[in-house]
Amino acid sequence: NAGVTQTPKFRVLKTGQSMTLLCAQDMNHEYMYWYRQDPGMGLRLIHYSVGEGTTAKGEVPDGYNVSRLKKQNFLLGLESAAPSQTSVYFCASTDYRQGFYGYTFGSGTRLTVV
Amino acid sequence: GNSVTQMEGPVTLSEEAFLTINCTYTATGYPSLFWYVQYPGEGLQLLLKATKADDKGSNKGFEATYRKETTSFHLEKGSVQVSDSAVYFCGDMGGSYIPTFGRGTSLIVHP
Repeated sequence: NAGVTQTPKFRVLKTGQSMTLLCAQDMNHEYMYWYRQDPGMGLRLIHYSVGEGTTAKGEVPDGYNVSRLKKQNFLLGLESAAPSQTSVYFCASTDYRQGFYGYTFGSGTRLTVV
Repeated sequence: GNSVTQMEGPVTLSEEAFLTINCTYTATGYPSLFWYVQYPGEGLQLLLKATKADDKGSNKGFEATYRKETTSFHLEKGSVQVSDSAVYFCGDMGGSYIPTFGRGTSLIVHP
């Protein structure tokens, strides 16, 4: 099925550990986004990319890094995990070249930092 | 920058009741507006969208009309079902392709 795939779906980290979340899309979309979702806070943009090789900071970038080496993949890294990064992370993608048809979201990664 | 404000929840209704979830926006230019739905434990799915003033988006019995004069995009459904219980997000595509989402409104429908 075409869409956005996030791996892993669940992860528990200890404080100070590092990890990478992978987002892969097979729709040839240019734009990709990483969000975190916390109770009562809605979706907050962490980083985004407007094309292969580009990245930019969103609303809450501190403690995260990203890379877009291939058009279909957008990686989110946590170098030294903190309990405040316990959240559900969503990746989304879209393309505007043929007009606006909405964003396709992955099913999320639930991360717990203890 | 663009922003979206939606009513706080939870909204609790009985099955077959009429639903309205308010959403207003502030934007420069002409935003493209959308509603997303998130069922428990899942990602967000596009419910409907409207890309210009007076457009009406509709899907699965839900409707929303892009009203420029009131800067609103309220979500409505004439008769809700238990299966509509979810969190609903209003949003705007954004002037520089960075979308803005509301905080989400939880809908709980009782049998």
